[in-house]
Amino acid sequence: NAGVTQTPKFQVLKTGQSMTLQCAQDMNHNSMYWYRQDPGMGLRLIYYSASEGTTDKGEVPNGYNVSRLNKREFSLRLESAAPSQTSVYFCAVGDSGANVLTFGAGSRLTVL
Amino acid sequence: EDQVTQSPEALRLQEGESSSLNCSYTVSGLRGLFWYRQDPGKGPEFLFTLYSAGEEKEKERLKATLTKKESFLHITAPKPEDSATYLCAATQGGSEKLVFGKGTKLTVNP
Repeated sequence: NAGVTQTPKFQVLKTGQSMTLQCAQDMNHNSMYWYRQDPGMGLRLIYYSASEGTTDKGEVPNGYNVSRLNKREFSLRLESAAPSQTSVYFCAVGDSGANVLTFGAGSRLTVL
Repeated sequence: EDQVTQSPEALRLQEGESSSLNCSYTVSGLRGLFWYRQDPGKGPEFLFTLYSAGEEKEKERLKATLTKKESFLHITAPKPEDSATYLCAATQGGSEKLVFGKGTKLTVNP
């Protein structure tokens, strides 16, 4: 079992470009999350989806959009990338109410 | 505002030198307190969940404890392979969101 798969692992963008980070799970969990991790800031929640068809904002949603395509997939889109969005992005999944999260390996994004 | 604060930010130990990491939280209606381990270049990996004051969980050289205001991760006779960043997180009842602390980077020297 792969668990939680994120693509791409690395990406370099120029300011103003757009891109989508993909996350897929094979754990049959309802909840899916996107976090960003920056030095000295810890993990901060961008968006989450408690179930298929629902999405909610987290702590730092500005500049991002998400799509819960189906139960397996949750994508994060940057419409117009900015240098402040340079970060490592983690997708996580969990059973509803349990909050024990399984994380993907991360996607390292650099915006020049 | 819900907050999770970890201390120290970094800790260096000699192999076999026991110590503790601290996680203090201000979350109303705490539902769960979580500890994760993160190795460089990888995603966090779940270690423990604690639900009520007085609860303790153990795994190998690690023991997590919980009071009404804070949690401790005790490391007994650590080995170099215990070197990692340890993250604490909390969630409140009815919420799907985890609030993470900034982590403690532990280095264990042989």
